[in-house]
Amino acid sequence: DAGVTQSPTHLIKTRGQQVTLRCSPKSGHDTVSWYQQALGQGPQFIFQYYEEEERQRGNFPDRFSGHQFPNYSSELNVNALLLGDSALYLCASSLMADKETQYFGPGTRLLVL
Amino acid sequence: AQKVTQAQTEISVVEKEDVTLDCVYETRDTTYYLFWYKQPPSGELVFLIRRNSFDEQNEISGRYSWNFQKSTSSFNFTITASQVVDSAVYFCALSDEYNNNDMRFGAGTRLTVKP
Repeated sequence: DAGVTQSPTHLIKTRGQQVTLRCSPKSGHDTVSWYQQALGQGPQFIFQYYEEEERQRGNFPDRFSGHQFPNYSSELNVNALLLGDSALYLCASSLMADKETQYFGPGTRLLVL
Repeated sequence: AQKVTQAQTEISVVEKEDVTLDCVYETRDTTYYLFWYKQPPSGELVFLIRRNSFDEQNEISGRYSWNFQKSTSSFNFTITASQVVDSAVYFCALSDEYNNNDMRFGAGTRLTVKP
């Protein structure tokens, strides 16, 4: 039973560029949430997708956008990258019927130079 | 306001010692969920436990135990007879209906278990 997978594992970009991160949920899960974890801090909620729609959003600017596909996988897009966007980006999946219990992937480490 | 406080930034113990990680939370909801996650150096958050606000029973799972006390808004985590493999950052998190169930994490406690 595959857990949550994310790609790529590491990424280096420069300021102003755009980046796309990918996530495949745990088998059987229909809901995907994205979190940003800056160094030395706890994860912060970005948004959650269910039925291909953004259902909830945290306190992040519109530069952060996402998408969910019919197979429940998801993408996180960040435009006009800033140095402060450097972080570990975590994807978590769950069942909408039990969305409080989330299982996390290994994350994508993004470095913006 | 919804908030999770983990006052202990770092803890260092010697193998076989018991260690307790503190978690204090704030919420205006009566229905909420509390979680503990472990984050080893690889970065993946590993789910340890979920507790809902209506269940104040303490829980034990092997060397791990959790003490939930609504009266003090605390959800503390104890590792008995710690092992080197327990070294990680541990996060306490809160999810409540007022905030549409998005999960709020504490800042984490880095536990180092020395041989």
